[in-house]
Amino acid sequence: GNSVTQMEGPVTLSEEAFLTINCTYTATGYPSLFWYVQYPGEGLQLLLKATKADDKGSNKGFEATYRKETTSFHLEKGSVQVSDSAVYFCALSDLNSGGSNYKLTFGKGTLLTVNP
Amino acid sequence: SQTIHQWPATLVQPVGSPLSLECTVEGTSNPNLYWYRQAAGRGLQLLFYSVGIGQISSEVPQNLSASRPQDRQFILSSKKLLLSDSGFYLCAWSDPAGGNTIYFGEGSWLTVV
Repeated sequence: GNSVTQMEGPVTLSEEAFLTINCTYTATGYPSLFWYVQYPGEGLQLLLKATKADDKGSNKGFEATYRKETTSFHLEKGSVQVSDSAVYFCALSDLNSGGSNYKLTFGKGTLLTVNP
Repeated sequence: SQTIHQWPATLVQPVGSPLSLECTVEGTSNPNLYWYRQAAGRGLQLLFYSVGIGQISSEVPQNLSASRPQDRQFILSSKKLLLSDSGFYLCAWSDPAGGNTIYFGEGSWLTVV
């Protein structure tokens, strides 16, 4: 079956530091890949996505490139801010077994804390 | 634009009591609907999904059930809650004609005591 593995947290950085959160996946076929962000006490928000190999998703200074050869989708940001403190989830999407809708398979999430 | 709302946002229920969480989607028709659960310190688990009124698929055996009485309404229920049902429950939707992106509601915190 499909699976997503992302780096264990928590990750603690100082403001303006470089961020990398690793994510690798196992899937049959050609899934789409996503990063979601969950701020404290809130639901999940879509941060960025990529739908095919070599696509780069980007939003709010974050970016991730869909690497089929290494089955990876690592999240990066050049200079983090305190407001980026949140839990980040890597996910892949593919059709369910019945072929009638997509479902997401999530990693376990990585807690990021950015200190001023 | 499309919006999704779920309620209540927070509830504390005794063991053995019933549960009803509601979710509605606005601004779209015939969405795919989902219920996910996030247990403390763990990732998200898909509980149910629905591709249409009255059509419910369960991903894992459990103490919960789901119903879709109207096109844009999705309800998560239990007749008798267990302590292990505690967690953060997220409703979500996707557009079956618009690709594979899934959008989440604000979430509902359930504590079973």
